Formats: sequence, C-alpha cells, structure tokens
Amino acid sequence: SQKIEQNSEALNIQEGKTATLTCNYTNYSPAYLQWYRQDPGRGPVFLLLIRENEKEKRKERLKVTFDTTLKQSLFHITASQPADSATYLCALDIAKSGGTSYGKLTFGQGTILTVHP
Amino acid sequence: EPEVTQTPSHQVTQMGQEVILRCVPISNHLYFYWYRQILGQKVEFLVSFYNNEISEKSEIFDDQFSVERPDGSNFTLKIRSTKLEDSAMYFCASGAQYFGPGTRLTVL
Repeated sequence: SQKIEQNSEALNIQEGKTATLTCNYTNYSPAYLQWYRQDPGRGPVFLLLIRENEKEKRKERLKVTFDTTLKQSLFHITASQPADSATYLCALDIAKSGGTSYGKLTFGQGTILTVHP
Repeated sequence: EPEVTQTPSHQVTQMGQEVILRCVPISNHLYFYWYRQILGQKVEFLVSFYNNEISEKSEIFDDQFSVERPDGSNFTLKIRSTKLEDSAMYFCASGAQYFGPGTRLTVL
C-alpha cells in the first residue's frame, strides 16, 4: 500500500540550531514533493517544491533534498528561530503537469517543530 | 501577493442540513481543489476542478458532495446532508500550492 511518513511527530530544538525533518514514502512515484508550514487553525502555506529530477533546493534559511532512490526528502531550517515553530507537512504530487491528477496532493501527517529560545 | 479567500471562517450546522462553503481562488489560476482536515489528522484531498468540471475526486467525495464555479470567480463546495463525521476544516486551494485559510465546519 502507499504510505507517506514524517518520521517525527514532534521535534524540539534550541534557537540557532538546524532543524531537520524527514519525509519517507513507499509505493509512490512522485513528480514533485512539496513542503508546507501549517499554524494551528490555519491553512497550509507553501514553502518549497522539488522535482523528481532535482537533488536539492534552497530558499533563504530553508533547504530541501530529494532522494528518489531512498524515497526520502529532508527539510532543513538553518539558524532556527522561535517564529519557525509550527507544523511542517510534506506532500507528494504524483501527476505530471496537465494531467487529470495535476496538483492533487497527498500529505504526510506533519511534524510539530518547537524552537526554544 | 495574491491570496485565496474562504467564507465563512466557521460554520455550525445541524446534522442533516445542507451547507455551502465558499472560496474565491486566485483569478488567473485554472485548477482548483478542496481538501479537508479532521482535527488532529492529515490534510486529505477531496476533489479537483478544471475547465468547469471535476477532474478527479477521492473516495470521500461521495454523492452528498458537489462543487461549482457559478460565476467565474467563486468556487463552492456543497454538502447536501451533513453528518457528524463531516466536522472538519475545509481548505480550498488554487493552482497547486495556494491554500485558503479554511472554513471550520462543526456538525451538531
């Protein structure tokens, strides 16, 4: 069966450290993998997208890696701040652009990140 | 930056009643989606909409659900006869990445 697992339900780190979150999947061949931030009672906010043929993507303090052999993505937040505290979701998009399933995302259960001052 | 809006932010209804959740997607997007998130659970895909018709729907999206783009700007999700288990946050998404703030539906 198909599964997406985010390895930690909760991650606690000290301010200034690097947070590393993991997303593993089985029995999918995603075209894209995306990371979102979700605050309590709010909608997911898009952070980064990485394509199946890309190994790494960066945006400011964020870095995503994608290993389609290991079927794993790592999401890093460097120089973490208390304001980074939130739930982080990974989501797979298995469809190619323009197909009928385009943009249909399958989400992991999320990792709650808490950054302590 | 363009944003997706949803109304109402919170809807309380009695079991068996019909509800309509409204979304205004980003104007130049072509694909629209509804997702739901039951408290403490994953965000789940319900339906995708392209070119004024449903392009894909999940098992959750049964006959009591329908979607419409009645006037070229609004995008609605109708639940005909609500059940207790329909209580959840419902998110509209525009394009593949832009989510609205959600409507919290509470069915009593």
